[in-house]
Amino acid sequence: DTAVSQTPKYLVTQMGNDKSIKCEQNLGHDTMYWYKQDSKKFLKIMFSYNNKELIINETVPNRFSPKSPDKAHLNLHINSLELGDSAVYFCASSQEPYNEQFFGPGTRLTVL
Amino acid sequence: SQQGEEDPQALSIQEGENATMNCSYKTSINNLQWYRQNSGRGLVHLILIRSNEREKHSGRLRVTLDTSKKSSSLLITASRAADTASYFCATDQGGSEKLVFGKGTKLTVNP
Repeated sequence: DTAVSQTPKYLVTQMGNDKSIKCEQNLGHDTMYWYKQDSKKFLKIMFSYNNKELIINETVPNRFSPKSPDKAHLNLHINSLELGDSAVYFCASSQEPYNEQFFGPGTRLTVL
Repeated sequence: SQQGEEDPQALSIQEGENATMNCSYKTSINNLQWYRQNSGRGLVHLILIRSNEREKHSGRLRVTLDTSKKSSSLLITASRAADTASYFCATDQGGSEKLVFGKGTKLTVNP
C-alpha cells in the first residue's frame, strides 16, 4: 500500500492555465506538507497543515492555494501558471511537525 | 538563508568503500535528519538524531552530531551501487514547525 500518493505524476501545461495536484496519505498522520524542488534539487517548504489547519505558509505567491478537505488529503491548486512554476512538487506527511516525514513520489510540473 | 549545507556537493566512490557526507547548519536545533532521494523519486527518511545525542547507528549508516560546531556527518559503510542517490540533511530551527533542507550531496557508487 502506498503511504503518500500524489496525482498526477506528470503535468505539462501552458502558461496562464490553472491546475491542481492531489495528495493523499493513509498513515493516519496529523500533519501534511507541500514542498517545491527546483532544477538544482533545492527543496523548499511551501505549506503545512495540521489537522486541516494551515500552520506554515511560506513566502508563496497567492496563485498557490492549498486545500485540506480532511486530515488525509492536502491538495494544491495553482492559478495563472508561470514558467517559473516548473518544478517537482512533493507532498509529505508526519505525525508531528518536525519528526520523520514521509514523502510522496512527486509531481513534475512543466509550464510551456 | 540556507539552514543546512551539505559537503561535498558530489561524491564518487567504488563499491565497498565508505562514503562520508557532512552537513552544517546555522541556528539551534531540536533534531537533525538525513534523507535519501533516488533519481526521480521522493525523499526517504534515513535517520533522526536529537540535539542531545552525539552518535546514532542504523544498519550501515552512522550519523554524528556536534552541536558546538553546528555540524553533522553521515557515514555509509561498505557502499553498494544501490546507495547511489542524493542525500539531504534537514533541521528544524529550534522548535520551528518546519524542516529546512540542505542542497544535498549527490553520491555515485561505481560497481
